[in-house]
Amino acid sequence: EIVLTQSPGTLSLSPGERATLSCRASQSVDNRYLAWYQQKPGQPPRLLMYGASIRATGIPDRFSGSGSGTDFTLTISRLEPEDFAVYSCQQYGTSPRTFGQGTKLEIK
Amino acid sequence: EVQLVESGGGLVQPGRSLRLSCAASGFSIGDSAMHWVRQAPGKGLEWVSRISWNSATIVYADSVKGRFTISRDNARNSLFLQMDGLRVEDTALYYCARRAGEGPFDIWGQGTMVTVSS
Repeated sequence: EIVLTQSPGTLSLSPGERATLSCRASQSVDNRYLAWYQQKPGQPPRLLMYGASIRATGIPDRFSGSGSGTDFTLTISRLEPEDFAVYSCQQYGTSPRTFGQGTKLEIK
Repeated sequence: EVQLVESGGGLVQPGRSLRLSCAASGFSIGDSAMHWVRQAPGKGLEWVSRISWNSATIVYADSVKGRFTISRDNARNSLFLQMDGLRVEDTALYYCARRAGEGPFDIWGQGTMVTVSS
Protein backbone atom coordinates (compact mmCIF):
# COMPACT_ATOMS: atom_id res chain seq x y z
CA GLU A 1 0.00 0.00 0.00
CA ILE A 2 1.26 3.47 -0.90
CA VAL A 3 1.14 5.75 2.13
CA LEU A 4 0.74 9.45 1.40
CA THR A 5 1.97 11.88 4.04
CA GLN A 6 0.90 15.50 3.78
CA SER A 7 2.61 18.44 5.39
CA PRO A 8 2.07 20.62 7.18
CA GLY A 9 -0.95 19.36 9.06
CA THR A 10 -2.22 22.92 9.41
CA LEU A 11 -1.12 25.99 7.48
CA SER A 12 -2.07 29.45 8.74
CA LEU A 13 -1.88 32.18 6.13
CA SER A 14 -3.57 35.42 5.18
CA PRO A 15 -5.53 36.19 2.01
CA GLY A 16 -3.19 37.26 -0.76
CA GLU A 17 -0.34 35.07 0.48
CA ARG A 18 1.11 32.07 -1.30
CA ALA A 19 0.37 28.57 -0.02
CA THR A 20 2.57 25.54 -0.60
CA LEU A 21 1.23 22.12 0.40
CA SER A 22 3.29 18.95 0.27
CA CYS A 23 2.35 15.33 -0.39
CA ARG A 24 5.05 12.68 0.02
CA ALA A 25 4.55 9.07 -1.04
CA SER A 26 6.09 6.00 0.56
CA GLN A 27 6.94 4.71 -2.92
CA SER A 28 6.98 6.17 -6.38
CA VAL A 29 3.65 7.33 -7.83
CA ASP A 30 3.02 7.59 -11.56
CA ASN A 31 2.37 11.30 -12.23
CA ARG A 32 -0.70 10.39 -14.25
CA TYR A 33 -2.39 9.14 -11.10
CA LEU A 34 -1.90 11.85 -8.49
CA ALA A 35 -4.84 14.09 -7.59
CA TRP A 36 -5.64 16.87 -5.17
CA TYR A 37 -9.04 17.52 -3.63
CA GLN A 38 -10.45 20.46 -1.72
CA GLN A 39 -12.99 19.92 1.04
CA LYS A 40 -14.97 22.51 2.94
CA PRO A 41 -16.98 21.79 6.11
CA GLY A 42 -20.15 19.85 5.40
CA GLN A 43 -19.23 19.30 1.76
CA PRO A 44 -17.82 16.35 -0.18
CA PRO A 45 -14.34 16.51 -1.68
CA ARG A 46 -14.04 18.56 -4.84
CA LEU A 47 -11.53 17.57 -7.50
CA LEU A 48 -8.89 20.29 -7.96
CA MET A 49 -5.99 18.71 -9.82
CA TYR A 50 -5.28 15.42 -11.51
CA GLY A 51 -2.34 13.98 -13.34
CA ALA A 52 -0.32 15.91 -10.74
CA SER A 53 -0.56 19.19 -12.64
CA ILE A 54 -3.80 19.35 -14.61
CA ARG A 55 -6.50 21.63 -13.26
CA ALA A 56 -9.98 20.18 -13.15
CA THR A 57 -12.82 21.96 -14.90
CA GLY A 58 -13.56 25.36 -13.43
CA ILE A 59 -10.52 25.50 -11.15
CA PRO A 60 -8.86 28.94 -11.27
CA ASP A 61 -5.29 29.27 -12.45
CA ARG A 62 -4.03 30.42 -9.06
CA PHE A 63 -3.98 26.67 -8.28
CA SER A 64 -1.06 24.70 -9.64
CA GLY A 65 0.37 21.26 -9.05
CA SER A 66 3.83 19.85 -9.55
CA GLY A 67 6.10 17.02 -8.61
CA SER A 68 7.08 13.52 -9.55
CA GLY A 69 8.09 10.22 -8.04
CA THR A 70 7.48 10.53 -4.33
CA ASP A 71 7.19 14.31 -3.87
CA PHE A 72 4.24 16.38 -5.01
CA THR A 73 3.20 19.95 -4.32
CA LEU A 74 0.01 21.95 -4.55
CA THR A 75 0.56 25.70 -4.78
CA ILE A 76 -2.03 28.43 -4.43
CA SER A 77 -0.40 31.60 -5.71
CA ARG A 78 -2.60 34.23 -4.05
CA LEU A 79 -5.04 33.03 -1.46
CA GLU A 80 -8.66 34.07 -1.79
CA PRO A 81 -11.08 33.84 1.17
CA GLU A 82 -12.83 30.85 -0.43
CA ASP A 83 -9.57 28.86 -0.58
CA PHE A 84 -9.43 28.20 3.15
CA ALA A 85 -10.33 24.52 3.41
CA VAL A 86 -8.80 21.07 3.82
CA TYR A 87 -6.71 19.74 0.93
CA SER A 88 -6.06 16.05 0.37
CA CYS A 89 -3.83 14.30 -2.12
CA GLN A 90 -4.67 10.90 -3.57
CA GLN A 91 -2.92 8.33 -5.69
CA TYR A 92 -5.30 6.39 -7.93
CA GLY A 93 -2.93 4.26 -9.95
CA THR A 94 -2.33 1.44 -7.50
CA SER A 95 -4.72 -0.51 -5.29
CA PRO A 96 -5.67 0.48 -2.70
CA ARG A 97 -6.38 4.03 -3.91
CA THR A 98 -4.93 5.88 -0.93
CA PHE A 99 -5.40 9.41 0.35
CA GLY A 100 -3.18 11.62 2.41
CA GLN A 101 -4.43 12.67 5.83
CA GLY A 102 -5.09 16.22 4.65
CA THR A 103 -3.70 19.71 5.21
CA LYS A 104 -5.98 22.26 6.81
CA LEU A 105 -5.46 25.71 5.33
CA GLU A 106 -6.75 28.25 7.83
CA ILE A 107 -6.96 32.02 7.95
CA LYS A 108 -4.24 33.60 10.03
CA GLU B 1 -27.80 17.94 -13.08
CA VAL B 2 -25.04 15.42 -12.60
CA GLN B 3 -25.19 13.99 -9.11
CA LEU B 4 -24.76 11.02 -6.83
CA VAL B 5 -27.07 10.61 -3.87
CA GLU B 6 -26.26 8.20 -1.06
CA SER B 7 -28.82 6.76 1.33
CA GLY B 8 -29.19 4.01 3.91
CA GLY B 9 -27.02 5.30 6.71
CA GLY B 10 -28.07 5.40 10.32
CA LEU B 11 -27.35 4.35 13.89
CA VAL B 12 -26.69 0.65 14.35
CA GLN B 13 -25.32 -1.57 17.09
CA PRO B 14 -21.97 -3.33 16.74
CA GLY B 15 -22.28 -6.60 14.86
CA ARG B 16 -25.35 -5.53 12.91
CA SER B 17 -25.74 -4.78 9.22
CA LEU B 18 -26.58 -1.86 6.96
CA ARG B 19 -26.97 -1.54 3.21
CA LEU B 20 -25.97 1.73 1.59
CA SER B 21 -27.22 2.84 -1.79
CA CYS B 22 -25.92 5.42 -4.22
CA ALA B 23 -28.20 6.63 -6.98
CA ALA B 24 -26.79 8.45 -9.98
CA SER B 25 -28.67 11.00 -12.02
CA GLY B 26 -27.73 13.17 -14.96
CA PHE B 27 -25.24 10.60 -16.23
CA SER B 28 -24.84 6.85 -16.57
CA ILE B 29 -22.55 4.93 -14.26
CA GLY B 30 -22.56 2.04 -16.70
CA ASP B 31 -19.15 2.69 -18.22
CA SER B 32 -17.35 3.82 -15.06
CA ALA B 33 -15.68 2.25 -12.09
CA MET B 34 -17.39 3.25 -8.87
CA HIS B 35 -15.92 3.61 -5.42
CA TRP B 36 -16.90 3.98 -1.79
CA VAL B 37 -14.81 6.31 0.36
CA ARG B 38 -15.41 7.04 4.03
CA GLN B 39 -14.45 9.78 6.44
CA ALA B 40 -14.55 9.28 10.17
CA PRO B 41 -15.52 12.38 12.18
CA GLY B 42 -12.66 14.87 12.11
CA LYS B 43 -10.44 12.52 10.12
CA GLY B 44 -9.14 12.19 6.59
CA LEU B 45 -10.54 10.30 3.63
CA GLU B 46 -10.24 6.51 3.60
CA TRP B 47 -10.83 4.52 0.43
CA VAL B 48 -13.14 1.55 1.12
CA SER B 49 -13.93 -0.37 -2.05
CA ARG B 50 -14.18 -0.25 -5.80
CA ILE B 51 -16.08 -2.10 -8.50
CA SER B 52 -15.36 -2.07 -12.21
CA TRP B 53 -17.99 -1.09 -14.75
CA ASN B 54 -18.99 -4.70 -15.39
CA SER B 55 -18.51 -5.95 -11.79
CA ALA B 56 -15.65 -8.16 -12.97
CA THR B 57 -13.12 -6.51 -10.67
CA ILE B 58 -13.89 -5.82 -7.02
CA VAL B 59 -11.35 -4.66 -4.45
CA TYR B 60 -11.68 -3.88 -0.75
CA ALA B 61 -9.57 -2.12 1.82
CA ASP B 62 -8.10 -4.56 4.33
CA SER B 63 -10.11 -2.87 7.07
CA VAL B 64 -13.42 -4.02 5.56
CA LYS B 65 -12.47 -7.16 3.65
CA GLY B 66 -14.73 -10.08 4.48
CA ARG B 67 -17.37 -7.83 6.05
CA PHE B 68 -18.42 -5.42 3.28
CA THR B 69 -19.76 -6.29 -0.17
CA ILE B 70 -19.90 -3.82 -3.03
CA SER B 71 -22.30 -4.30 -5.94
CA ARG B 72 -23.91 -2.34 -8.71
CA ASP B 73 -26.97 -2.34 -10.92
CA ASN B 74 -26.21 -0.44 -14.11
CA ALA B 75 -29.82 -0.74 -15.30
CA ARG B 76 -30.91 1.12 -12.16
CA ASN B 77 -27.89 3.44 -12.33
CA SER B 78 -27.07 2.52 -8.75
CA LEU B 79 -24.22 1.38 -6.52
CA PHE B 80 -24.54 -0.49 -3.24
CA LEU B 81 -22.49 -1.35 -0.17
CA GLN B 82 -23.64 -4.18 2.08
CA MET B 83 -21.99 -3.75 5.45
CA ASP B 84 -22.08 -6.73 7.80
CA GLY B 85 -20.43 -7.23 11.17
CA LEU B 86 -20.22 -3.50 11.75
CA ARG B 87 -17.68 -2.22 14.25
CA VAL B 88 -17.43 1.02 16.19
CA GLU B 89 -14.47 1.99 13.99
CA ASP B 90 -16.72 1.84 10.90
CA THR B 91 -18.44 5.01 12.12
CA ALA B 92 -18.00 7.51 9.30
CA LEU B 93 -19.59 9.51 6.53
CA TYR B 94 -19.71 7.23 3.51
CA TYR B 95 -19.31 8.75 0.05
CA CYS B 96 -19.77 7.13 -3.31
CA ALA B 97 -17.62 8.46 -6.12
CA ARG B 98 -17.19 7.92 -9.82
CA ARG B 99 -13.91 7.28 -11.52
CA ALA B 100 -14.19 7.91 -15.24
CA GLY B 101 -11.75 5.77 -17.19
CA GLU B 102 -8.21 6.14 -15.90
CA GLY B 103 -8.98 9.49 -14.33
CA PRO B 104 -9.49 10.66 -10.76
CA PHE B 105 -12.65 10.59 -8.69
CA ASP B 106 -14.53 13.34 -10.46
CA ILE B 107 -18.09 13.05 -9.11
CA TRP B 108 -18.87 12.63 -5.42
CA GLY B 109 -22.09 12.31 -3.51
CA GLN B 110 -22.91 14.28 -0.37
CA GLY B 111 -22.42 11.22 1.80
CA THR B 112 -24.51 9.17 4.22
CA MET B 113 -23.60 8.91 7.89
CA VAL B 114 -23.12 5.54 9.54
CA THR B 115 -22.84 5.45 13.31
CA VAL B 116 -21.99 2.20 15.04
CA SER B 117 -22.63 2.36 18.75
CA SER B 118 -24.20 0.34 21.51
